[in-house]
Amino acid sequence: NAGVTQTPKFQVLKTGQSMTLQCAQDMNHEYMSWYRQDPGMGLRLIHYSVGAGITDQGEVPNGYNVSRSTTEDFPLRLLSAAPSQTSVYFCASSTQGVNGYTFGSGTRLTVV
Amino acid sequence: ILNVEQSPQSLHVQEGDSTNFTCSFPSSNFYALHWYRWETAKSPEALFVMTLNGDEKKKGRISATLNTKEGYSYLYIKGSQPEDSATYLCAFLSGGSYIPTFGRGTSLIVHP
Repeated sequence: NAGVTQTPKFQVLKTGQSMTLQCAQDMNHEYMSWYRQDPGMGLRLIHYSVGAGITDQGEVPNGYNVSRSTTEDFPLRLLSAAPSQTSVYFCASSTQGVNGYTFGSGTRLTVV
Repeated sequence: ILNVEQSPQSLHVQEGDSTNFTCSFPSSNFYALHWYRWETAKSPEALFVMTLNGDEKKKGRISATLNTKEGYSYLYIKGSQPEDSATYLCAFLSGGSYIPTFGRGTSLIVHP
């Protein structure tokens, strides 16, 4: 049982480049979320999805896009990377939060 | 943006000490309160999911209580061990959303 799989684990981007962080879960969870973790800021919600075809913005959505074409996958796209997007990104999934959220292993992104 | 506060921000204790942390959250439109344990270089893992006022949950030496009317939860660790060193996160879920809002966490360091 793989749980939540995030790729890549590490990435360095130049300012202005775009990229996609991948997130896949095999637990048939309806709810999926992307968070970023910055020192002293805890986990802040970027975007979330409550099912295939449904996405919504969280607390810090600017500069990011998401889509949810299948239940399993929830990719996060950085449109034009900026140094302020240097962070650790976590994907998480759950069944309506009933059993808590399962987190991926994180992606450490550096934008130079 | 929902206000979820955790205190203290950090805590250093000696092996064998008992300790507790606080999570404060909005007292209206409550759905669930989660506690997560987050070890360095790993992902957050769910400890407890609490849904009812007066809930008490226990897992080994760790326990948690919930007061939804006044909007707080306590996490207790009895006889702390070095392996308990981690950041402990709480997350509030409101009814109709089911998307967690995280506190900034309490960092616990247990000294041998």
